[in-house]
Amino acid sequence: NAGVMQNPRHLVRRRGQEARLRCSPMKGHSHVYWYRQLPEEGLKFMVYLQKENIIDESGMPKERFSAEFPKEGPSILRIQQVVRGDSAAYFCASSPLEDTGAFFGQGTRLTVV
Amino acid sequence: QKEVEQDPGPLSVPEGAIVSLNCTYSNSAFQYFMWYRQYSRKGPELLMYTYSSGNKEDGRFTAQVDKSSKYISLFIRDSQPSDSATYLCAMRGTGANSKLTFGKGITLSVRP
Repeated sequence: NAGVMQNPRHLVRRRGQEARLRCSPMKGHSHVYWYRQLPEEGLKFMVYLQKENIIDESGMPKERFSAEFPKEGPSILRIQQVVRGDSAAYFCASSPLEDTGAFFGQGTRLTVV
Repeated sequence: QKEVEQDPGPLSVPEGAIVSLNCTYSNSAFQYFMWYRQYSRKGPELLMYTYSSGNKEDGRFTAQVDKSSKYISLFIRDSQPSDSATYLCAMRGTGANSKLTFGKGITLSVRP
């Protein structure tokens, strides 16, 4: 059973471009979470999704950021018009239910130049 | 006050030592408690998952939860250099509290 797959592992974008991060949850997992991590800092919650629904987006900046988890295909975190402050590691996690532990992918390291 | 507070680090111990890592929380809605281990430039790895108050053991690791005191701990016995990593506590409730909320993490170094 493959783990949570994130791609790309590394992404370089120029200021003003769009960044698109993908997350394929573990088989049978219908809950997906996105977190951001800056060096020497903890994991900051961004958004929690189930298939075709956003459950909690309280950690997501109101502008430029969006997330989706369609019925078919991976979950996507989209950052429009990236700025240098968006540079971070973005982690996705999945779980089969809301009352279980969540399993993380290896992350996408976004660098904005 | 942050929802989850984790003892600050870093922590350095000799090989073979018993390590105690601790977190406190303020949200009474938290019901599920986890410990993750994260190596440098890797994703967090789920180590332990507990629901009720009490102890749960898995090999050299023991997770302890005290809901009445809102306090959780992770004990590592016979620590090894390979245990050197950042350890994060996490917890969640249900419904509106179902997102995972993390402590800031503590970096552990086990000296050979």
